[in-house]
Amino acid sequence: GAGVSQSPSNKVTEKGKDVELRCDPISGHTALYWYRQSLGQGLEFLIYFQGNSAPDKSGLPSDRFSAERTGGSVSTLTIQRTQQEDSAVYLCASSLVPFTGGSTDTQYFGPGTRLTVL
Amino acid sequence: KQEVTQIPAALSVPEGENLVLNCSFTDSAIYNLQWFRQDPGKGLTSLLLIQSSQREQTSGRLNASLDKSSGRSTLYIAASQPGDSATYLCAVTGTASKLTFGTGTRLQVTL
Repeated sequence: GAGVSQSPSNKVTEKGKDVELRCDPISGHTALYWYRQSLGQGLEFLIYFQGNSAPDKSGLPSDRFSAERTGGSVSTLTIQRTQQEDSAVYLCASSLVPFTGGSTDTQYFGPGTRLTVL
Repeated sequence: KQEVTQIPAALSVPEGENLVLNCSFTDSAIYNLQWFRQDPGKGLTSLLLIQSSQREQTSGRLNASLDKSSGRSTLYIAASQPGDSATYLCAVTGTASKLTFGTGTRLQVTL
């Protein structure tokens, strides 16, 4: 079946502009995650959605970052007033049903969106 | 705060060799540990997931072990092939539900 998809694959923007990144999880997956991979740094967690529960926003680096998940499926990560340090690859992942103690915990990743802020 | 470290940072081996990648984590209160591979310019591919109650998982030429009490995991790759060349990442899931990633090991398998 189809995997996790993300759009756009590449985004170049000017400092100060707002950007929206989209993630389509695997159909039926209840959990959705956003991560960021910066040059020379590891992957860092940003935000986690699980069903209808309040999202875990503990990884968002500033209030310029926000995310929503509509209808329990598609998610949009929004970065307002972009800064050069926001340049990174933004990765989205989904899992079927986390914390069941089985293979449904496995997170499947999309190809990422490479964001460049000039 | 959970910290995950991978050794070595880079590794080059000739085709056919068996190899071991190491991962250590500071907080043993994990829910599971996952190994991924990342190819240049691409996303992550899940290789193996080990639940905290398990000791190892196997998939083809890959075998991952977990020693939760000592905070260690190893990924064993048998009979390496050039197609195995990639960056390998381990990640642990703690009570906060998010993955904490290691620093990665860049593997190069030469002909």
